[in-house]
Amino acid sequence: GAVVSQHPSRVICKSGTSVKIECRSLDFQATTMFWYRQFPKQSLMLMATSNEGSKATYEQGVEKDKFLINHASLTLSTLTVTSAHPEDSSFYICSARVLAGDRYEQYFGPGTRLTVT
Amino acid sequence: GQNIDQPTEMTATEGAIVQINCTYQTSGFNGLFWYQQHAGEAPTFLSYNVLDGLEEKGRFSSFLSRSKGYSYLLLKELQMKDSASYLCAVMDSNYQLIWGAGTKLIIKP
Repeated sequence: GAVVSQHPSRVICKSGTSVKIECRSLDFQATTMFWYRQFPKQSLMLMATSNEGSKATYEQGVEKDKFLINHASLTLSTLTVTSAHPEDSSFYICSARVLAGDRYEQYFGPGTRLTVT
Repeated sequence: GQNIDQPTEMTATEGAIVQINCTYQTSGFNGLFWYQQHAGEAPTFLSYNVLDGLEEKGRFSSFLSRSKGYSYLLLKELQMKDSASYLCAVMDSNYQLIWGAGTKLIIKP
């Protein structure tokens, strides 16, 4: 299957600072990438859908000014958590959608565990 | 609204077979996915069904009935490493994945 990488895998930051998370599709071009957040023992929550070259589409309740998404190329999307607070501590996972033949498949990065102190 | 239902938790014995069911109601259907997620890790792709029937891949098989809005994931010859959450997801008419809450599978020796 397709490979998606994510960096960093873990990050600890202080309240009020910003953190950037990178998501890369390594062996394919992804026109659409997704950012998810997952709190312990809860299901994946879609934060936003990112299309290359255009603005991200945010899910209801997700602050676009706080979670900045940039999808500048077909292989890279970034999520910046601005002015982070302890409640932003979570597992952030990116996913890339790829057209495989006549169907879409979706693959996940390994995730980034963010801890805000 | 859109809805995906799967059991919250299941327990099975090492070496046995377990079937995890998933029922769905979505706006449109472009395939059903099963993912495995170990604690603290991201989901990994297991299977994809878009046509009715059974897809077999090693110890794992996935079945789909579109008319019934129903799928199951069948795991054979269970191993301890199969202890994980299993997520059912349906791709809707907008090609967005709608997620179930996941089934936590506990394997006992």
